[in-house]
Amino acid sequence: EAGVAQSPRYKIIEKRQSVAFWCNPISGHATLYWYQQILGQGPKLLIQFQNNGVVDDSQLPKDRFSAERLKGVDSTLKIQPAKLEDSAVYLCASRSRRDGNTEAFFGQGTRLTVV
Amino acid sequence: QKEVEQNSGPLSVPEGAIASLNCTYSDRGSQSFFWYRQYSGKSPELIMSIYSNGDKEDGRFTAQLNKASQYVSLLIRDSQPSDSATYLCAVRRDNAGNMLTFGGGTRLMVKP
Repeated sequence: EAGVAQSPRYKIIEKRQSVAFWCNPISGHATLYWYQQILGQGPKLLIQFQNNGVVDDSQLPKDRFSAERLKGVDSTLKIQPAKLEDSAVYLCASRSRRDGNTEAFFGQGTRLTVV
Repeated sequence: QKEVEQNSGPLSVPEGAIASLNCTYSDRGSQSFFWYRQYSGKSPELIMSIYSNGDKEDGRFTAQLNKASQYVSLLIRDSQPSDSATYLCAVRRDNAGNMLTFGGGTRLMVKP
C-alpha cells in the first residue's frame, strides 16, 4: 500500500512570496490533516478535511493560508504572502474511516524556509 | 493549559534500561491515544495506539492508559541507541470532528 505522498520535499522562498504544497493521501482514506511543525515543537493542526469538506480550520491563519481538497482525494495548502515565521515543516496525514479504531499516517513533509 | 502536555526532555537513559515517557491531556472527551516516534529531520511514525484503560504491549513497547487520571505513558524496555528520537503523544476525540492533537514531544537519548 502506497503511503502519503507530499511534494515538494524542500522549498526556499523570500518573504511575501507565495508557495503551494501538495498532498496525496493513502488510497481510500477519507480524513486528511495538514499540520505545521516548527523546529523543536510538536505538530500543530492547521486544517482537517473529511472527504472534500472542512471539519476544522480553527488554527489556520486564514488571512494568508488556504487549503482545498476539491475532489476529496489530493489536497493543496497555499501560503500567500509568506512570512519569516512560516518557516516550518508542513506535514500531511491521512486516516481511514472504515472503522473507529484507525490511525493517522504521515507523509514525509515539506520543509519550508522563508528568507 | 496545553491540551496535551509532555516533558520536553531530554530524557537520557543507558542502553538496556527502561525508558518511561509520560503524557497528560486535558480533554476528558478524548478516546484514542497514540505514540509517534520522530527521528531528527523525519516525519512522525506511528508506534503504538491504545483505546482502553490498561496496558498494551507490542514487542519492547508498552503503552499505558489511565483515563480517570487523564494520563498515558510509553515504556520502552531494553532501550537501544536506535530508540533515540523524539516521542510525540497524540490524542483524538472520536466524534464528528476526530481532531488529532499532539503534545510537544519528549526527546529521548539512549547512551551506549
